[in-house]
Amino acid sequence: GENVEQHPSTLSVQEGDSAVIKCTYSDSASNYFPWYKQELGKRPQLIIDIRSNVGEKKDQRIAVTLNKTAKHFSLHITETQPEDSAVYFCAAKHTGNQFYFGTGTSLTVIP
Amino acid sequence: SAVISQKPSRDICQRGTSLTIQCQVDSQVTMMFWYRQQPGQSLTLIATANQGSEATYESGFVIDKFPISRPNLTFSTLTVSNMSPEDSSIYLCSGAPGMNTEAFFGQGTRLTVV
Repeated sequence: GENVEQHPSTLSVQEGDSAVIKCTYSDSASNYFPWYKQELGKRPQLIIDIRSNVGEKKDQRIAVTLNKTAKHFSLHITETQPEDSAVYFCAAKHTGNQFYFGTGTSLTVIP
Repeated sequence: SAVISQKPSRDICQRGTSLTIQCQVDSQVTMMFWYRQQPGQSLTLIATANQGSEATYESGFVIDKFPISRPNLTFSTLTVSNMSPEDSSIYLCSGAPGMNTEAFFGQGTRLTVV
């Protein structure tokens, strides 16, 4: 299967600052990379995704970048707000169509 | 987007018994997956539920322990068999409508084995 590593495991930022979470994957054939936000006791929800034919994608305060050569992708959240506090998971879709998840990043935005 | 209804939302079970978790999707999805998530941990893929054929299991998971059914494109079940306390976890089903689309999740089943 695919091996997805995610860093950092915890991240605290001041409200208004930016947060960056990084992931690497092992299978160069993986072609779809979603990011999920999971609030305590809730199901994971997609916040942004990127496909392998695109290098960057932005949606308001959230952006994702992909470096296929280095096999890593990153989530960028700008102007963070307390409601951004949650656990964030990156994922990579394997050629077998399974989704493999990173280890998660617990983001705390301090008001 | 697809909406996935999962039940039960939680259960407390005696060791040695079995629990079947059901997921119903409001639209047809090509792919369905089952995950296990320990509180505060990542999502570990158990198996891919294939419609019309046997499920494909990840390393460390076997059909005898986690039998899966996928009778059609909107429904799947996962059974946790002969449970032990080590099976206590959150189980999540997931569905993806197409090959390069996002995966949607059910709300999860919090299982406690006593």
